[in-house]
Amino acid sequence: EIVLTQSPATLSLSPGERATLSCRASQSVSSYLAWYQQKPGQAPRLLIYDASNRATGVPPRFSGSGSGTDFTLTISGLEPEDFAVYYCQHRSDWPYTFGQGTKLEIK
Amino acid sequence: QVQLVQSGAELKKPGASVKVTCKASGYIFSKYYMHWLRQAPGQGPEWMGVIDPSGGGTTSARKFLGRLTMTRDTSTSTVFMDLSGLRSEDTAVYYCATYSSGPANFDHWGQGTLVTVSS
Repeated sequence: EIVLTQSPATLSLSPGERATLSCRASQSVSSYLAWYQQKPGQAPRLLIYDASNRATGVPPRFSGSGSGTDFTLTISGLEPEDFAVYYCQHRSDWPYTFGQGTKLEIK
Repeated sequence: QVQLVQSGAELKKPGASVKVTCKASGYIFSKYYMHWLRQAPGQGPEWMGVIDPSGGGTTSARKFLGRLTMTRDTSTSTVFMDLSGLRSEDTAVYYCATYSSGPANFDHWGQGTLVTVSS
């Protein structure tokens, strides 16, 4: 199975700053990578699919890039509601797997 | 709009089985595969398997083979997830999820069902 490794585990930033989150796959997933945001007590929310496409209703400050094994989620100009846990997930082959998450916390 | 409504929390003893339901509305039920995922406390989500609501065919992750059964009722737009041989490690929030932006991009999630396995 494909292992997704996210870094850093925790990211401490202030509102208005830029966040850069990384996800590395143990083998190529082409562009079949998604990013999710999760807040306590809620289901994950799809932000980015197929590496760089924003899901419906996602603000343009969220952007994704990468292909193959290395991917990045960038949040330009952090808003207070952006502080949450972020997961990457591939759909290259069964079983679909998720990374262990990056917690974005307020500095 | 797409809505997935799941059944309520369950408390089960080790070795027992649990059945979680997921009722879909707001879209053509047979059009999109339905996935089951779970999330243990403090962990990332884990994909369990998928069912084709149209034909009923299923695929499960290898670790759940023999324990996971997924079925559907097209007359009520409902899918069911049965997990048998429960152990404490199965304690988690279980989700159904489907997509509109592409297969296995999980756009739409149920609210989650907490399953606790404890003696």
